[in-house]
Amino acid sequence: GQQLNQSPQSMFIQEGEDVSMNCTSSSIFNTWLWYKQDPGEGPVLLIALYKAGELTSNGRLTAQFGITRKDSFLNISASIPSDVGIYFCAGQLRVQGAQKLVFGQGTRLTINP
Amino acid sequence: EADIYQTPRYLVIGTGKKITLECSQTMGHDKMYWYQQDPGMELHLIHYSYGVNSTEKGDLSSESTVSRIRTEHFPLTLESARPSHTSQYLCASSLAGPNQPQHFGDGTRLSIL
Repeated sequence: GQQLNQSPQSMFIQEGEDVSMNCTSSSIFNTWLWYKQDPGEGPVLLIALYKAGELTSNGRLTAQFGITRKDSFLNISASIPSDVGIYFCAGQLRVQGAQKLVFGQGTRLTINP
Repeated sequence: EADIYQTPRYLVIGTGKKITLECSQTMGHDKMYWYQQDPGMELHLIHYSYGVNSTEKGDLSSESTVSRIRTEHFPLTLESARPSHTSQYLCASSLAGPNQPQHFGDGTRLSIL
């Protein structure tokens, strides 16, 4: 079945550093989504990407939909303590007539003050 | 901001009990979803619905059942809870069009003793 490989699994950085994470797959996706999940809460949508090559920013966050439609990356600039959490990529594709969302394994971000 | 609500947020209950996890959304979304997530791990789709009286099983086999009698309401039921059902259950919804992003509730953390 479809699988997303998200890396890195975890990151330990200093406050103020930039962060980069990515997802790759052997499957082609129609949409890439990036979510952030805080402990005890549901994932919150950060950025949605709809076209191959699309580069979208949301404040200090920037994400790109890969040209091959098989990958995406998320960058966070000048990290702050509230960026701590787990970041999930998710790719959306059509399988047997149904829209399907496949999640990566998550990147756990820890920031040292 | 997504308006999707899950209750209860936490439930600790004994083996053999019947459980219903509630999910409601006020956005008029046609599509609704249930995911199962172990702590810090990826999300797995267990049920989805494309509208009233529509329910389908997801990728991960689950002993739970769902119903969709009203657009805004998508409850999940476990007839006889077991310790293996201990997990976090996340509800999501989206608009009906292709490639619409899913918005999540805060989840129900279920512990079966």
